[in-house]
Amino acid sequence: DIQMTQSPSSLSASVGDRVTITCRASQTINNYLNWYQQKPGKAPKLLIYAASSLQSGVPSRFSGSGSGTDFTLTISSLQPEDFATYYCQQSYSSLFTFGPGTKVDVK
Amino acid sequence: QVQLVESGGGVVQPGRSLRLPCAASGFTFSRHAMNWVRQAPGKGLEWVAIISHDGSNEYYADSVKGRFTISRDNSQNTLYLQMNSLRHEDTAVYFCARGLHQLLLYQPLDYWGQGTLVTVSS
Repeated sequence: DIQMTQSPSSLSASVGDRVTITCRASQTINNYLNWYQQKPGKAPKLLIYAASSLQSGVPSRFSGSGSGTDFTLTISSLQPEDFATYYCQQSYSSLFTFGPGTKVDVK
Repeated sequence: QVQLVESGGGVVQPGRSLRLPCAASGFTFSRHAMNWVRQAPGKGLEWVAIISHDGSNEYYADSVKGRFTISRDNSQNTLYLQMNSLRHEDTAVYFCARGLHQLLLYQPLDYWGQGTLVTVSS
């Protein structure tokens, strides 16, 4: 199975900060990497798919990059509604796997 | 608008069975792969199973393989998860989720239900 890791596991930031989260796959997954945002008690929301494609309706301050095994989610200017947990997920193999998550909270 | 509504959760004893339905509306259900994803209390997301748009292909996480079965009724726009031989570690909120692009299997998950809580406890 493909294992996904994320770093950091948590971070504290302020509104307006640039935030970067990294995700690494245990083997190459080309660009089959997706990012989700989840708020407490809510279902996850797709932000980025295929490593860098912005899902419809998602603000342009979110961006994704990378290919192969290393990927990055960037929030260019953190907004109050962005405090949440972020998960990466590979859809390269028939056995999808999620990263462990990165919690973004208020500094 | 796209809606996915899970039901069927509750408290069940270890070793027993439970079936979760997920009712879909607002899109052509028969053209999208569907998934189940779960989240144990206070933990991260764990993908559980996927079924192709026509039901011809299914894949499972190792943790549930042989115990859980994903199925769909395209005439009723409903996805199912049959869970047998339940264990304490199966306690989680179970979400159904739709694959983004029509007819393709390995897709990002663009719409999710609100989830249904399954608690395995004696």
